Amino acid sequence: NAGVTQTPKFQVLKTGQSMTLQCAQDMNHNSMYWYRQDPGMGLRLIYYSASEGTTDKGEVPNGYNVSRLNKREFSLRLESAAPSQTSVYFCASSVTRTRDEQYFGPGTRLTVT
Amino acid sequence: RKEVEQDPGPFNVPEGATVAFNCTYSNSASQSFFWYRQDCRKEPKLLMSVYSSGNEDGRFTAQLNRASQYISLLIRDSKLSDSATYLCVVNEKSSYKLIFGSGTRLLVRP
Repeated sequence: NAGVTQTPKFQVLKTGQSMTLQCAQDMNHNSMYWYRQDPGMGLRLIYYSASEGTTDKGEVPNGYNVSRLNKREFSLRLESAAPSQTSVYFCASSVTRTRDEQYFGPGTRLTVT
Repeated sequence: RKEVEQDPGPFNVPEGATVAFNCTYSNSASQSFFWYRQDCRKEPKLLMSVYSSGNEDGRFTAQLNRASQYISLLIRDSKLSDSATYLCVVNEKSSYKLIFGSGTRLLVRP
């Protein structure tokens, strides 16, 4: 039981390049989330998926797209990376979207030059 | 005003000390409350949920004060391994999203 896994662990992009961050969970959770964490800012929600087949914007969705591929997998895509997207990205999952604690993956450290 | 506010610290305490963190939240309709722990360059990990009646897990005690809109975390007999950042987390009832505080850093010294 691996919990929440993310790939890659590290990535360096040039401005304008695109990439997809992958996330998978094996806990049979319904809801999944993408956050970014910047120094002094705390975790900010980018997008979430309350259940398979649905996605919704969070606090900072601009510049990102998501796909809930199936119940296990939730990917985050940067179409045209910008230096402002340099951050640590965490994926999380919970049983449902209401009141439940979330479990986090190990994160992806992304640098955009 | 931030939705969830925490003193960033750091709190620098000797081993064996008792230390307490407070966190205030702005949305009076919030219903779920948690403390997470985050080690340097790692993911946040759930430490404990916070219930209205207060709850204890070993050396850790969490309290909720709805009237004053704050939650607290008390750590007794601090260990070196308790050194980490502690995140206060509150749900946003209207959309069921979790709102994270920026964290309080704890350093436990020998």
